[in-house]
Amino acid sequence: RKEVEQDPGPFNVPEGATVAFNCTYSNSASQSFFWYRQDCRKEPKLLMSVYSSGNEDGRFTAQLNRASQYISLLIRDSKLSDSATYLCVVNGNAGNMLTFGGGTRLMVKP
Amino acid sequence: DGGITQSPKYLFRKEGQNVTLSCEQNLNHDAMYWYRQDPGQGLRLIYYSQIVNDFQKGDIAEGYSVSREKKESFPLTVTSAQKNPTAFYLCASALGGVYEQYFGPGTRLTVT
Repeated sequence: RKEVEQDPGPFNVPEGATVAFNCTYSNSASQSFFWYRQDCRKEPKLLMSVYSSGNEDGRFTAQLNRASQYISLLIRDSKLSDSATYLCVVNGNAGNMLTFGGGTRLMVKP
Repeated sequence: DGGITQSPKYLFRKEGQNVTLSCEQNLNHDAMYWYRQDPGQGLRLIYYSQIVNDFQKGDIAEGYSVSREKKESFPLTVTSAQKNPTAFYLCASALGGVYEQYFGPGTRLTVT
């Protein structure tokens, strides 16, 4: 099993739709969880950290499910500008290192 | 302005030449990382450094070398031993191993 696994997509959704991505991780002792966004031919940028209690930032909601070892990202009212690849990041089996998932590509259409 | 910089943005080299990519940060971060990204693929870790004068190999270190003589600088040398060096190279820094990483804008290296 990969340390951090994501559905590569692409997820094609219309503007205004709600879309959710899941990411599974293998290390039950993981403590740090993040979502990054990467635009085409650009560097990844931190979108949000994921806390045990879940957290929300505008149209974005991140949740952690420790029992099933996955984190999720929900995007409400999708905008064209949300089109990007979303990377799930977890401190993996090495303990003190972050491991990046392969990313899920989102395409929002007019 | 705090941040992480990489130069140059685009780099072209002939096969057989070594090339050094620059990465500088003024965020006072202890940890620095180098990743490689091929088209349509995820990030792969080349080398990382948790503290000055110390660094470790990542998943794909063969054909690469690094140094960490100063806290703010972590240059990557792509040697002629790297079989497929053409890629997008990303440098990142963080307070420490489990903290969020901040990325530079990347260097696109093309070797012909």
